[in-house]
Amino acid sequence: GAVVSQHPSRVICKSGTSVKIECRSLDFQATTMFWYRQFPKQSLMLMATSNEGSKATYEQGVEKDKFLINHASLTLSTLTVTSAHPEDSSFYICSALGVGGQYNSPLHFGNGTRLTVT
Amino acid sequence: LAKTTQPISMDSYEGQEVNITCSHNNIATNDYITWYQQFPSQGPRFIIQGYKTKVTNEVASLFIPADRKSSTLSLPRVSLSDTAVYYCLVGLNSGGYQKVTFGIGTKLQVIP
Repeated sequence: GAVVSQHPSRVICKSGTSVKIECRSLDFQATTMFWYRQFPKQSLMLMATSNEGSKATYEQGVEKDKFLINHASLTLSTLTVTSAHPEDSSFYICSALGVGGQYNSPLHFGNGTRLTVT
Repeated sequence: LAKTTQPISMDSYEGQEVNITCSHNNIATNDYITWYQQFPSQGPRFIIQGYKTKVTNEVASLFIPADRKSSTLSLPRVSLSDTAVYYCLVGLNSGGYQKVTFGIGTKLQVIP
């Protein structure tokens, strides 16, 4: 089946630094990738949608200058948390939709990245 | 965007069948219903998807009534490893892809 790989699985960084999270589709090409954030005991919240070769679309309330998304190829999207602060500590998850996928195609999710900002 | 409502939590004993119902009164004509399973500190995993009537795969069944305003995920003979959060999603056909948002999900606790 379709595999989405996320790296790193966990990262600890100091406040004020930037962290990059990678999301790769390993055995399919992904025209669209989604980024979610999940706080403890809460549901996944959609942050942004990225399409290969174009700018990401951010959900209301998500700062595009803080959460930089790049989808430069059909197999890779990156999320960079810039100038991270403790309140950015969360579980970040990506998902991908394959090329030619029907509008009802199930999403394939990565295993998430646990970010802790100290 | 169709909103979904599920029970927040459910308990079940091992070996029993579990049915989780999701309400989605505002489902659109083109929307499919998809269920995902999530274990702690992992990404969601696809379980089953359907449009109407009944769908069955190797892990679950999905029952959708004619009005499609609800759906029921059925897990046969659950085991301890089925303890997880289950999400019911109804997609929005937007620009050719399905943009979905997650509800609160149902936390299933399987008891030995």
